[in-house]
Amino acid sequence: GAGVSQSPSNKVTEKGKDVELRCDPISGHTALYWYRQSLGQGLEFLIYFQGNSAPDKSGLPSDRFSAERTGGSVSTLTIQRTQQEDSAVYLCASSLEAIRILSNQPQHFGDGTRLSIL
Amino acid sequence: SQQGEEDPQALSIQEGENATMNCSYKTSINNLQWYRQNSGRGLVHLILIRSNEREKHSGRLRVTLDTSKKSSSLLITASRAADTASYFCATDANDYKLSFGAGTTVTVRA
Repeated sequence: GAGVSQSPSNKVTEKGKDVELRCDPISGHTALYWYRQSLGQGLEFLIYFQGNSAPDKSGLPSDRFSAERTGGSVSTLTIQRTQQEDSAVYLCASSLEAIRILSNQPQHFGDGTRLSIL
Repeated sequence: SQQGEEDPQALSIQEGENATMNCSYKTSINNLQWYRQNSGRGLVHLILIRSNEREKHSGRLRVTLDTSKKSSSLLITASRAADTASYFCATDANDYKLSFGAGTTVTVRA
């Protein structure tokens, strides 16, 4: 597709359930980023992928959060045993190269997954 | 933690007026970017200014950067209803990620 695609667009689930969020970046983009945006707030960085590897996972809020990227393309963010404080919009972005390689790369964002934990 | 802070938090103007918002940051940067977010949508890249640049224009947008004060401003001239959105500044203070502020919410009244 032309842009970053995220699915589902909305997810409502009960506390304690696991959820899986998907991001399909722009074709050819090697860098992929996950952010979390709470209501009326800025973006909280979660994790970054360069190709299939994630050099830094320190932004993940807890060990209930994990992410993977296969084939240098699609990425999934998994939240296990969801809690109410996990409710937020989860945004994915991709860029042609990682900032450390080329520092003038804009990031292209998907429309996010709005996650609501009941 | 957030590197950038936008000011004001919210701004309401009449269509046709100019809108100015500011961003302050804490550490040295390579460049600073401004993004727009319409309600319920992702962020859209507006403009990037490098640390060795002082001013940049793109259509009705004008961005300034003062590295000595660690601040940037975004000016939207002749605002339109379609400019209603939240605006975020983002800096690349390290080598792999952008740090975003909490944003300025702009409402343009018809």
